[in-house]
Amino acid sequence: QVHLVQSGAEVKKPGASVKVSCKASGYTFNIFYMHWVRQAPGQGLEWMGKINPRGGTTSYAQKFQGRVTMTRDTSTSTVYMELSSLRSEDTAVYYCARTIAVSGNVEFDYWGQGTLVSVSS
Amino acid sequence: QSVLTQAPSTSGTPGQRVTISCSGSSSNIGDNYVYWYQHLPGTAPKLLIYRNNQRPSGVPDRFSGSRSGTSASLAISGLRSEDEADYYCATWDDSLRGPVFGGGTKLTVL
Repeated sequence: QVHLVQSGAEVKKPGASVKVSCKASGYTFNIFYMHWVRQAPGQGLEWMGKINPRGGTTSYAQKFQGRVTMTRDTSTSTVYMELSSLRSEDTAVYYCARTIAVSGNVEFDYWGQGTLVSVSS
Repeated sequence: QSVLTQAPSTSGTPGQRVTISCSGSSSNIGDNYVYWYQHLPGTAPKLLIYRNNQRPSGVPDRFSGSRSGTSASLAISGLRSEDEADYYCATWDDSLRGPVFGGGTKLTVL
């Protein structure tokens, strides 16, 4: 059975960084991309980027270029999303979600439970 | 401002049929598959429709999807109280080189 289990809620000050983890189980880690999608309060879903666990290559949404870093640890089937220079607008629930490793695929069939990141002074 | 346009809200009564629309452009809906997600508060989004009109296992046939040109629609028939949720369309955007979502439509079951 597929599970994506994320790390717990975080409270950060403006300017700090946050690193959220997503541990995958129940499937072959290397054959699915892992994406990060966030939802700010009262807002819709927003794609942040993805990582290919096979080689670690990444693709980020232009909005987050330079501020987001996605990495993976194949030994533990875990992916990480680090967002730096946090501002209040980054307060959101962050989700990891997988798709089959095919370019152009938007079929997020399994999602993590979400991680609330709150940014406040 | 979302790349894909959805009405912010819609409503219906139990048993009724409702349609949620999603408008895009030639670089996204016009050239790629459309997906629909159901999102209940406090839970992870759930895949409802993939490849324009396909239902994953376990999704009732009350839910159906379609795509025409640069627009797509999600129809829900036999509306039930548990259908009350936010619904998002999504697709790939060739210009942005990544997935894009609609702004979401909040469905209220009266």
